[in-house]
Amino acid sequence: ETGVTQSPTHLIKTRGQQVTLRCSSQSGHNTVSWYQQALGQGPQFIFQYYREEENGRGNFPPRFSGLQFPNYSSELNVNALELDDSALYLCASSLQAGLNYGYTFGSGTRLTVV
Amino acid sequence: QQQVKQSPQSLIVQKGGISIINCAYENTAFDYFPWYQQFPGKGPALLIAIRPDVSEKKEGRFTISFNKSAKQFSLHIMDSQPGDSATYFCAASKGGRNNAGNMLTFGGGTRLMVKP
Repeated sequence: ETGVTQSPTHLIKTRGQQVTLRCSSQSGHNTVSWYQQALGQGPQFIFQYYREEENGRGNFPPRFSGLQFPNYSSELNVNALELDDSALYLCASSLQAGLNYGYTFGSGTRLTVV
Repeated sequence: QQQVKQSPQSLIVQKGGISIINCAYENTAFDYFPWYQQFPGKGPALLIAIRPDVSEKKEGRFTISFNKSAKQFSLHIMDSQPGDSATYFCAASKGGRNNAGNMLTFGGGTRLMVKP
């Protein structure tokens, strides 16, 4: 059984650019959530996808968007990058949305915006 | 709005000692309280979790104590080991179907160092 895998592991972008981060969920998990973890802080919920639809969103602007594919993998897209977007982006998968099953987190993508 | 407050920010404990990390929450709709352990360069890993219908849950050296009336919960690590050195996060969520996903609200984290 594979865990959650994220790519790339590290990324450097320039302010104003766009970025796409990718996540493959754990086998059998149909729900994917994305979190942003700034340095020295706890993760902040961005949004969740369940059955290819957004199933909840945190306090993030519309330039943060996502997709979930039929195989339950997911993408996080961020447009018009700002310096404050520099963070560790975590993908987490779980068995079913709306129930308190434990998440399995990936190791994250470290995004640096310069 | 920080809905889950965690303390202390950092903690140094001698090997064999007890590590205690505390969290307080505001939203009484929360009904699931997990603790996560995060090593550098890794994502958080679920350590132990509790629901508000019990006051304590123990798994090995890890115990959660839960005080619903005070809206507080804590993690106790007994016989702390150098391998326990990591950052620990408390979190809370409200479940149930058709909710906004069981999003986790995390505390700010506690960096634990266990000295040999």
